[in-house]
Amino acid sequence: KAGVTQTPRYLIKTRGQQVTLSCSPISGHRSVSWYQQTPGQGLQFLFEYFSETQRNKGNFPGRFSGRQFSNSRSEMNVSTLELGDSALYLCASSLDSAGDPRGETQYFGPGTRLLVL
Amino acid sequence: AQTVTQSQPEMSVQEAETVTLSCTYDTSENNYYLFWYKQPPSRQMILVIRQEAYKQQNATENRFSVNFQKAAKSFSLKISDSQLGDTAMYFCAFMRLIQGAQKLVFGQGTRLTINP
Repeated sequence: KAGVTQTPRYLIKTRGQQVTLSCSPISGHRSVSWYQQTPGQGLQFLFEYFSETQRNKGNFPGRFSGRQFSNSRSEMNVSTLELGDSALYLCASSLDSAGDPRGETQYFGPGTRLLVL
Repeated sequence: AQTVTQSQPEMSVQEAETVTLSCTYDTSENNYYLFWYKQPPSRQMILVIRQEAYKQQNATENRFSVNFQKAAKSFSLKISDSQLGDTAMYFCAFMRLIQGAQKLVFGQGTRLTINP
């Protein structure tokens, strides 16, 4: 099976612009989560989607949004970019079967590195 | 609130040595799952090993094993016969469920360097 894919891999934007990142989960996986990784804050949870519904969102401003499509692919959008949004954005997918979801392993994509100038 | 603490920001060992990375966590839950992920310079986050708190037996995956001490809320990772390819950032993580949604809570990471 192909792994989690993310596009684009690298992005350079300027302050005030908006950006859309894409994530394709492993085939059959229904849950998609997004994380932001920065040197200062480490890995922080952004949001999680399942069946086109956002089930949970981390402590990020409303400029950060996302969605999930019927094929489980997900996008996240950041509007009005700020310098502090420069980060590695990681997407992870999991099966989310009928069992205990806490035990479902999340598989990560290679990430999108965003640089805001 | 669940937190994960990795007290060793950096470690360095010689190839073929054994190294142990520390992780402690805080939770009031009784059953939960813990994970170790590896992030090499390529930035791809790779699962190393996982442990269910309900199971007494420590998880093992080839050269990787954990020492899970539930009462002490400690979850250390042991790498035996370390190899150059083990050089990476290692993150300990705790899986939370919020409104049915998964959320991994990560530690700050330990940068491990294997020297030839």
